[in-house]
This record gives sequence, structure tokens and C-alpha cells, in this order.
Amino acid sequence: AQTVTQSQPEMSVQEAETVTLSCTYDTSESDYYLFWYKQPPSRQMILVIRQEAYKQQNATENRFSVNFQKAAKSFSLKISDSQLGDAAMYFCAYAYMNRDDKIIFGKGTRLHILP
Amino acid sequence: DAGITQSPRHKVTETGTPVTLRCHQTENHRYMYWYRQDPGHGLRLIHYSYGVKDTDKGEVSDGYSVSRSKTEDFLLTLESATSSQTSVYFCAISDYREGGETQYFGPGTRLLVL
Repeated sequence: AQTVTQSQPEMSVQEAETVTLSCTYDTSESDYYLFWYKQPPSRQMILVIRQEAYKQQNATENRFSVNFQKAAKSFSLKISDSQLGDAAMYFCAYAYMNRDDKIIFGKGTRLHILP
Repeated sequence: DAGITQSPRHKVTETGTPVTLRCHQTENHRYMYWYRQDPGHGLRLIHYSYGVKDTDKGEVSDGYSVSRSKTEDFLLTLESATSSQTSVYFCAISDYREGGETQYFGPGTRLLVL
């Protein structure tokens, strides 16, 4: 069965610094999607970034980028120039590429931004 | 914003009572999902739907049923609520635009079962 593991329950970073959140996953599939979602105190789930497994190039969205290592089944999120608004729970997620399209979530990493 | 609303946003109920949560979407998405979020568990899939009257079970479906009689509405029912079903419930849709599948979430419903 597919699983997603986030080994860091909590992390802290100084404002304006860079932080990397770790995620590993287990799958026997070759085609899939990986996601990072952000959940601020408002509890809204916000998509941060998406990566297709068939793409070798790492996805980027402004200050957010990923390091996708397919062979190692690793999918880390790097946040550059951290801002107070980045404080949130971050979830790594995996999705099949089939008609069921179910997403499997990690348990999350709570990120604190220190002013 | 994928045009997803959930109602009610907050609900307090008593053990043994039936509860129905509604998810409504305005963009004609085929796939819809119900998740629950609990501390230490992340989000877990309860049920999902891949079309009108087409539904299937997720990871934690016991004690829940769903219905989808219209594309835009996906209902989650707790037939007889228990305290273990106190949780935050999220509805989601799958969007296949932009060349790939992405799930977008509603604002969540906070349910407290006393």
C-alpha cells in the first residue's frame, strides 16, 4: 500500500531564512502525482505545489520549490525567504494516476516562523 | 478557489443523532471526496464519488454513508453520530485542468459530537 511519511512533526525557522520540509513515500507505481498542501490557522487547505512523477524537472512556485528524487522516493519542500504568513501545517500528499484518483496524505509538519 | 462550499461550517450534536454534511461545487467536477482530519492522523479519506450515483469507500468509511444525486452536491451522512466522529470534515474535488490532477478543498466543517 502507498504511504506518505513526514518525519518532522514541527519545525521552526527565522523570518527571511530558508527551510526544508521532508517527505518520503512508498509506492510501486511509476506514474503518480505529489503535492504539498498548506493549512494555515484558518484550516483552509491550500495547494502549494504539484509535481508529476514523469517530469524530471523540479516544480517551483515563487518562493516554494521541491527536490524530487524519484529513485529515493523523496519529495522535500524548500521555502526561501520565509515570511510570517508561511506559518502553517504543511501536508505532503501522493495521488495515483488512475480513475480512482485517491490522495494519500502524510501526517503533516507544523512550521513556525520566528520574527 | 474551485467553487466549493460546505454546510454547515460548524455543528454540535448529541451521540446517536443523524447528521448530514453537504458539499456543493459549481464547476461540474466529476470527482468529489470526503475527508476527516484529526490530530496525528492528517487527512483520511472517508468516501469518494466518480459521478452521479457512483460512490466508493475510502480508508475510514465505517459509520458513514454518502449520496450524490446531482453532480454539484455530495452528501455525507453519519447515521448515528458517535463521539469518535468528532472531527473536522473536508470536501474536495479533482480538477484536471492545467495538464494534471489536483485536488482542491472546501473550507471544512467542524463537527462536535457530545
